[in-house]
Amino acid sequence: DAGITQSPRHKVTETGTPVTLRCHQTENHRYMYWYRQDPGHGLRLIHYSYGVKDTDKGEVSDGYSVSRSKTEDFLLTLESATSSQTSVYFCAISWARNSGNTIYFGEGSWLTVV
Amino acid sequence: AQTVTQSQPEMSVQEAETVTLSCTYDTSESDYYLFWYKQPPSRQMILVIRQEAYKQQNATENRFSVNFQKAAKSFSLKISDSQLGDAAMYFCAYRSAVEYGNKLVFGAGTILRVKS
Repeated sequence: DAGITQSPRHKVTETGTPVTLRCHQTENHRYMYWYRQDPGHGLRLIHYSYGVKDTDKGEVSDGYSVSRSKTEDFLLTLESATSSQTSVYFCAISWARNSGNTIYFGEGSWLTVV
Repeated sequence: AQTVTQSQPEMSVQEAETVTLSCTYDTSESDYYLFWYKQPPSRQMILVIRQEAYKQQNATENRFSVNFQKAAKSFSLKISDSQLGDAAMYFCAYRSAVEYGNKLVFGAGTILRVKS
């Protein structure tokens, strides 16, 4: 158990509404990530954070924003949800920069945009 | 940018038999890490095995072993004595040892079915 909690675990929302997913960790890991999983694509990186208030874009960042005001929380926001953002979202954490350390994943958040 | 390719969308294996899942990757870097993750129906991501590129010896974890061919940029996973609990989606992943951020790049995944 890597001490990662994602909330909500399941959400159905309407097109055009804002949605925020929360990732909370208890391990004091510096690096946090948001991935989305879609059939045929594996997991793709949306945004990541390397410290409080330090974030950067990943491969599929359009339509998403993130914030990290505390070490333990990393928020992913869909400002205006679209059907193409229906997906399973995974948060992940990592211990240290460019170490051999493993990246640990949360249990996923299922988001359906109707 | 690095890419990871898993060319087998689905594989089947008989219980107690051996199966090999394929993975190739593209990178210009010489220092990196490679991983296999298992994702059962619960969707939990479970690390199966890890290989450091600077190590020539292939990694092994109980019934799981890899065939790491650095020059060919190939990283296959062999599962011996397959069990029903091995049925899952398997992802191959790459991580740079020099690029900032510890970011993982995933392949599209291979669904493994185990027949009893």
